[in-house]
Amino acid sequence: TQLLEQSPQFLSIQEGENLTVYCNSSSVFSSLQWYRQEPGEGPVLLVTVVTGGEVKKLKRLTFQFGDARKDSSLHITAAQPGDTGLYLCAGGSGSGGSNYKLTFGKGTLLTVNP
Amino acid sequence: EPEVTQTPSHQVTQMGQEVILRCVPISNHLYFYWYRQILGQKVEFLVSFYNNEISEKSEIFDDQFSVERPDGSNFTLKIRSTKLEDSAMYFCASSRYPGSVWPQHFGDGTRLSIL
Repeated sequence: TQLLEQSPQFLSIQEGENLTVYCNSSSVFSSLQWYRQEPGEGPVLLVTVVTGGEVKKLKRLTFQFGDARKDSSLHITAAQPGDTGLYLCAGGSGSGGSNYKLTFGKGTLLTVNP
Repeated sequence: EPEVTQTPSHQVTQMGQEVILRCVPISNHLYFYWYRQILGQKVEFLVSFYNNEISEKSEIFDDQFSVERPDGSNFTLKIRSTKLEDSAMYFCASSRYPGSVWPQHFGDGTRLSIL
C-alpha cells in the first residue's frame, strides 16, 4: 500500500512569513500533484510535477519533486491571508494508464494571520 | 471554465437503504473517478471508470458499491445497502485521459450521512 505523509499537519503563521510543507513517501510515484481544498469544496489542482528534481513556480508558490520521485515540497514566500486553506499532496500511480489513480496525503491546514 | 458537478450536495439516508450519488463530468473527459473522504481522514480512491468499464478499484469498493454511466453525461455511484461507516464526503473526478499529464478535476462532493 502506498502512503503519503504530509507535515506539518497544522501550520499557523503571520502574514509575510515564509513556509514549507512536506510530502514524503517510501514509494515512487509517476507524478505528484498539489491540491488546495476549501471547506465544503472539492480539491482544486495547483500543480503537477512529473520529473525527478523538477521545480515549478506559481507566483509565490514553489513546488519541488524529489530526485527519487518519492517526496515533494511546497514553499510559500511572503504568505498572505488568502493562502489560508488545506493543502493536499497526491501521488499518481498506475502502470497501464487506464489504472492511473491518486493517493492522497492527509493534508496540511495552513492559517495565515493578518 | 468547465467543471464537474455533483448532486445532491448533502444526502441523509437510513442505514440499509440504497443511495445513488450523481456526477456530471466535464463534457470532453473520458476517464471518471470516485473518491471518498471520511471526516478527519484523507481522500481515498474508490474506483476509476473508462469506456463503460471499471478500470481499477480499491479494497473499499466491495460488492455493495457499483458505478454506472447511464447516459452520455451522468456518472453515478450506487451503494446498495448503506452502513454507518459509509458516512463520508464522496468526490467525483474526471480527466481527459489517464496519467500524470492529464489533471483530474474534482467536483465539490456529496456529503453522505447514514443514520
